[in-house]
Amino acid sequence: GESVGLHLPTLSVQEGDNSIINCAYSNSASDYFIWYKQESGKGPQFIIDIRSNMDKRQGQRVTVLLNKTVKHLSLQIAATQPGDSAVYFCAENGNSGGYQKVTFGTGTKLQVIP
Amino acid sequence: NAGVTQTPKFRILKIGQSMTLQCTQDMNHNYMYWYRQDPGMGLKLIYYSVGAGITDKGEVPNGYNVSRSTTEDFPLRLELAAPSQTSVYFCASSYSKGGDSPLHFGNGTRLTVT
Repeated sequence: GESVGLHLPTLSVQEGDNSIINCAYSNSASDYFIWYKQESGKGPQFIIDIRSNMDKRQGQRVTVLLNKTVKHLSLQIAATQPGDSAVYFCAENGNSGGYQKVTFGTGTKLQVIP
Repeated sequence: NAGVTQTPKFRILKIGQSMTLQCTQDMNHNYMYWYRQDPGMGLKLIYYSVGAGITDKGEVPNGYNVSRSTTEDFPLRLELAAPSQTSVYFCASSYSKGGDSPLHFGNGTRLTVT
């Protein structure tokens, strides 16, 4: 079956620096991608999404880049803050019958060093 | 606006016991889901519902049951708890089945079966 994977399990970044979290996906038919943030003891929280007809989308301090040629997704966090410390999941959406088929990666842990 | 609310937050069961994990959402979402999250693994879909009165199996439904009598509530039932069901369970909801429709998660129920 299709799966979504992450290149690095843990990423340590100095406070104030930019963070880049990468994700590889294998289903070329996926048309919608989402990044979630999960803090300790909480559920995943939506950060930003991107459709397959876009290459880049920006939010507040976050940018998602999509490279369909190599099936690669990245999340960039500008001026990383201690509150950004969490596990980040890449997920791909593909409609499957009557429900939202979402495939999650295992996550990358972001550690912000004060 | 509380979003997705799960109860209880923690529970310890003995093998063979049964319990119901509660989930309610106040966003009037038609789509609701139950996921389990195991260490080092991505979220796995247990059951989902596309509306009141309609439920269907996900990737890992064995040992679980669900019901959807109202739009708001989507309880998950464990009939004969087994150690393999030790996990963190997340309920989620979404407005639609795809496109501009990220998942909204609760904060999870941590279940231990001994």
